Amino acid sequence: AQKITQTQPGMFVQEKEAVTLDCTYDTSDPSYGLFWYKQPSSGEMIFLIYQGSYDQQNATEGRYSLNFQKARKSANLVISASQLGDSAMYFCAMTTYGNNRLAFGKGNQVVVIP
Amino acid sequence: NAGVTQTPKFQVLKTGQSMTLQCAQDMNHNSMYWYRQDPGMGLRLIYYSASEGTTDKGEVPNGYNVSRLNKREFSLRLESAAPSQTSVYFCASSELAQPIQKSTDTQYFGPGTRLTVL
Repeated sequence: AQKITQTQPGMFVQEKEAVTLDCTYDTSDPSYGLFWYKQPSSGEMIFLIYQGSYDQQNATEGRYSLNFQKARKSANLVISASQLGDSAMYFCAMTTYGNNRLAFGKGNQVVVIP
Repeated sequence: NAGVTQTPKFQVLKTGQSMTLQCAQDMNHNSMYWYRQDPGMGLRLIYYSASEGTTDKGEVPNGYNVSRLNKREFSLRLESAAPSQTSVYFCASSELAQPIQKSTDTQYFGPGTRLTVL
């Protein structure tokens, strides 16, 4: 079974600073995908970034990058140059080969302060 | 493209009433999903449909039924609502293919339906 763990308490981040959100996962399947989603206060789920288990490079999408440490089973999200609009809940999720299901962590709350 | 749309946005039911949540996607995706989100929790999968004509249970299917009406539409039905079903419901879709890759396995979500059962 897949399991995602996000245990950081809510975070306050100064505008323009970088923030790292922790995510660890557990699976015995060698083929899997890791995702991060953003949920602002308006409630929608917004896809941010994807990392495949066989990808050689860490994924990047604009100000988002994923620090993928396969041996440690961690997939931390790094947001560079935080903006006020980055205030949201952030969810880590994974799916495995042959499994149609996304397993979500409980999320990390980020508040960006000016 | 509207992406994934859900109706209604808000709903209040009394215990025992029934209702159907509607979901449609215009991305020509094969797979569709229903999740629920409770306070302090991540999303939990209720049911999914890997392709038109198939449906399977997820993590929390009790009290729900689904219908994959066609490739675009996937509905979730509560036959006899209970207060424990008070939640925010999200529909999602993905292209879904193997092997896993970003373009096909990423799930895109609708705006959600906030359901309260009294």
